[in-house]
Amino acid sequence: AQSVTQLGSHVSVSEGALVLLRCNYSSSVPPYLFWYVQYPNQGLQLLLKYTTGATLVKGINGFEAEFKKSETSFHLTKPSAHMSDAAEYFCAVSDLGRGSTLGRLYFGRGTQLTVWP
Amino acid sequence: DVKVTQSSRYLVKRTGEKVFLECVQDMDHENMFWYRQDPGLGLRLIYFSYDVKMKEKGDIPEGYSVSREKKERFSLILESASTNQTSMYLCASSPRGVRDNEQFFGPGTRLTVL
Repeated sequence: AQSVTQLGSHVSVSEGALVLLRCNYSSSVPPYLFWYVQYPNQGLQLLLKYTTGATLVKGINGFEAEFKKSETSFHLTKPSAHMSDAAEYFCAVSDLGRGSTLGRLYFGRGTQLTVWP
Repeated sequence: DVKVTQSSRYLVKRTGEKVFLECVQDMDHENMFWYRQDPGLGLRLIYFSYDVKMKEKGDIPEGYSVSREKKERFSLILESASTNQTSMYLCASSPRGVRDNEQFFGPGTRLTVL
């Protein structure tokens, strides 16, 4: 079965500081991994995803994530935080992909990012 | 521009009422999903559907049912609303076929049951 653990339900950084949001996954097959962002009173929006190939994935708004199989991790980073990055971030892993369960995602509990001026 | 719309952004209902939450997508996606989102618990899958008239239970189906009569529309039904169903409800859709399919989300419906 697939599962995702996000370490730290709240992360606070100063504007201009490095953002690091942690995600570890459990999967019995090679994982497909996703990061979503949710701004206040909105739905979720895809930031980036890892499928196959290059392990460093670049997304929107300057975010990137690195897939590390040996550590079963997919941490999200951004070199310099901006006030507009304040939001909730969710890591997700895809399911086994057989039969009717194709396309199901398993989400972590989310990390709320606060950016101080 | 791809779009998932939900019938209401905010909804207030009384305990025991029957509640319908509607979701429509215009991307011709086969898969549709209903989640509820609660602080500290993330997104929990209630039901999903991979085709018209098909449905599968997610992780927390108790107290809910769904209907998918048309490909573009997926309805979540609370047969008798209770206060513990006060939550944010998110609908999503994705194309069927491969595991790396992005799910597209609607803006959410914040339901309060009094």
